[in-house]
Amino acid sequence: QVQLVESGGGVVQPGRSLRLSCAASGFTFSSYGMHWVRQAPGKGLEWVAIIWYDGSKKYYADSVKGRFIISRDNSKNTLFLQMNSLRDEDTAVYYCARDRGAGNYLDYWGQGSLVTVSS
Amino acid sequence: QSALTQPPSVSGSPGQSVTISCTGASSDVGSYNRVSWYQQPPGTAPKLMIYEVNNRPSGVPDRFSGSKSGNTASLTISGLQAEDEADYYCSSYTGSSTFVVFGGGTKLSVL
Repeated sequence: QVQLVESGGGVVQPGRSLRLSCAASGFTFSSYGMHWVRQAPGKGLEWVAIIWYDGSKKYYADSVKGRFIISRDNSKNTLFLQMNSLRDEDTAVYYCARDRGAGNYLDYWGQGSLVTVSS
Repeated sequence: QSALTQPPSVSGSPGQSVTISCTGASSDVGSYNRVSWYQQPPGTAPKLMIYEVNNRPSGVPDRFSGSKSGNTASLTISGLQAEDEADYYCSSYTGSSTFVVFGGGTKLSVL
């Protein structure tokens, strides 16, 4: 069965960096695009980024463009989100999700990893 | 890209039907049949319920259905059950570099 497991969350000071990982299993990881989606405490879902199945294309939400980098290692079935210059408003649960049809829909989601940006 | 507009809350009694609307723009919902709906019970991850406007993934009850007219998509849940109580989010492909936009979410209460 498809499994997505995020890790790497925690408490970090404003301006610092953090890298999230998403370990995938149960499907051919290298055949699917992947997303990051976040949810601030008590708020709705916000799309963050997408990466093509082969890493050739990447797109970002305006709120993270220039600060966050999405990447993947298909040899290790792992998705990453490098988060730099973190701000208070980046505090959220970060979910990885599998893409179907280049942004068409997200069919499987991980359980999420909490990132708290606080001094 | 602005978030899609959903009502903050809807409610219904067991056995009744409810409809949640999702209003976007001609550049997203109005241009593409790439609207999806997600269910998120408290403290859990979102789950895909409807994709491409009106398709159900395997395992989703046929009580859940989707539709679209112009810039507005809708999710209808018939024969409400207590287990349907959750937050529901719509999403649309945007065709721009921001790719995907979500609605603000609707809290469904089953009275």
